[in-house]
Order: sequence, then C-alpha cells, then structure tokens
Amino acid sequence: ETGVTQSPTHLIKTRGQQVTLRCSSQSGHNTVSWYQQALGQGPQFIFQYYREEENGRGNFPPRFSGLQFPNYSSELNVNALELDDSALYLCASSLRGRENGYTFGSGTRLTVV
Amino acid sequence: AQTVTQSQPEMSVQEAETVTLSCTYDTSESDYYLFWYKQPPSRQMILVIRQEAYKQQNATENRFSVNFQKAAKSFSLKISDSQLGDAAMYFCAYRSVRGGSNYKLTFGKGTLLTVNP
Repeated sequence: ETGVTQSPTHLIKTRGQQVTLRCSSQSGHNTVSWYQQALGQGPQFIFQYYREEENGRGNFPPRFSGLQFPNYSSELNVNALELDDSALYLCASSLRGRENGYTFGSGTRLTVV
Repeated sequence: AQTVTQSQPEMSVQEAETVTLSCTYDTSESDYYLFWYKQPPSRQMILVIRQEAYKQQNATENRFSVNFQKAAKSFSLKISDSQLGDAAMYFCAYRSVRGGSNYKLTFGKGTLLTVNP
C-alpha cells in the first residue's frame, strides 16, 4: 500500500508567478484535499476533490485552483503568487465515507520572494 | 463555523512521564469527529487518535488516550510513558459528519511537545 506522495518537496517562486504542486493519492483512496500551513499555524483547508470535481472550498481566492485526475492524483495551481502564499502545502487523500481515512503527504514548502 | 483552540503553544515532559495536551472546540453540531494529529520534523501529519462524538467512551491507542468532555467541548490528549520519539507538534482537529466542504478538517494552532531525556 503506497502512501501519499507530493512533489516537489521545496520550491522558490517570484511574486506574480504561477506554480503547480502535485499529489499522488494513497492506493484505494478517491478523495483528495489540499491544506495550506503557514509557519507556526495549523493547516487551513483550501479545497477537496471527489470524482474529478471540486467538492468543497475553504476561504481562498479563485487564483487557487485544482484538478483531480482519473487515477485520483491531484494538482494545486496558484496564480499571481503573493508573498503571503509562502507556506507548507499539504495534500491528504481519503476514501469517501470513511471518517478516519485521511493520509497526509509530507508537503511542498513554497517560498515566494 | 467551527473553531478549535489549543491554549498551550509549548509543553515539555520528562521521558517516561505523563503529559496532557489541551484542546477546546466550538460547534453547534451534535455529531462530529475529533482527531489528534502529530507532525514531526518530517512534516507529515500522522493520526494519533480519533473520537466519534456519539461515543461516550474515551478513545485509547496504546500509550495515547483522550478525555472527551462533550458538554464542555473539551478534548484533551494524554501521553503516558513519554518517549523521545513523541517529540513533535500536536494538532487537534474537528470534522463534521455532514458532506461537501464540511468534510474538511479544522485544525487548532498546535502544541509543540518537547521530551527531555
């Protein structure tokens, strides 16, 4: 059983640029959620994907968007990067309907300069 | 909207001793899930223990147990026989049983646990 894999592990971008972060779900999981964790804070929910559709969204602007692919892997895209977007981005996969099945990846550390 | 509060930014414990981490939450729902997650320097969130609100019995997982007080909206984590490997950031989290964006986890700000040898 494979876990959740995120790439890249670290990334440095310039303000105004666009970035794509990737996540491979745990085998057997069909739902992917993305979280933003600022330094010294708890993770904040960005959005969730199920059956390739966005299934819920937190308080993030539209420049945060995502995709889920037929193999349940996912991408998080952020346009027009701002300095405050610097954070650890965590992906979590789960099997819909199972309340205890969240498996997290090790995250992508994004630094915007 | 639900909120989760962890009032202890940092805690320390001696190896082999017991430590309790506090968590309170606010919700108008009667059924929900509560979790404790551990985040070591590797950054991966690891589930420590979970509690279903409709169950009155406190959850236990080996050296980890919770004190769930539903009326007080309190959910503390007790770590017994603390080990060096327990050192990490601990997050309390809430999840609704309803669908859509309510499947999200709402996290507290975390408690940094140090284990002294």
